[in-house]
Amino acid sequence: QKEVEQNSGPLSVPEGAIASLNCTYSDRGSQSFFWYRQYSGKSPELIMSIYSNGDKEDGRFTAQLNKASQYVSLLIRDSQPSDSATYLCAVNFPLTLSGGYNKLIFGAGTRLAVHP
Amino acid sequence: GAVVSQHPSRVICKSGTSVKIECRSLDFQATTMFWYRQFPKKSLMLMATSNEGSKATYEQGVEKDKFLINHASLTLSTLTVTSAHPEDSSFYICSARDLTGSSNQPQHFGDGTRLSIL
Repeated sequence: QKEVEQNSGPLSVPEGAIASLNCTYSDRGSQSFFWYRQYSGKSPELIMSIYSNGDKEDGRFTAQLNKASQYVSLLIRDSQPSDSATYLCAVNFPLTLSGGYNKLIFGAGTRLAVHP
Repeated sequence: GAVVSQHPSRVICKSGTSVKIECRSLDFQATTMFWYRQFPKKSLMLMATSNEGSKATYEQGVEKDKFLINHASLTLSTLTVTSAHPEDSSFYICSARDLTGSSNQPQHFGDGTRLSIL
């Protein structure tokens, strides 16, 4: 069973703080990992992608990947009210285990609320 | 770059109507497109993988005769919800991956179609 787990939240942080979002996945063979942001009533928007162990930074966002622990996280620095959304962790499961196709499996999402 | 256009954005229709949703990759070619469904406060659930020039691959539990998928070109996939009923009301979202990238590249999503069956 291919699984991606996230805490549903809500995660409430004050404006200017660091928001930390976590995700675990079940399959050690996964090679690519993504964070999407989804505002209410909208479709997901790609925030970060990460493929190798360690940190990857893009502006206020940092993705962290630890394949040994099957763990991926997203840090949002200087959180703003406009960051309030649901953050979806998505894992691309390998071709051989997906019945012939690379599939993106989504976690249930963590709702982030940044309050002024 | 990597823009995916989905149309229509919203559909309200009577029970028994068939509804077609289009998904287009505007600035790239996509051998594979994906169709998701999302119920309120739930995550995205993959319904099917649409392959240009061949039959779609449906996820377990998704009725292929109910949700018809056609991927006639490298830039267009359509999803037809046949004889829709109220329980089919949901947010349908398509995504596509750039053909020129590896299969590990991210999927880019359309804006979604909110389907409401009365």
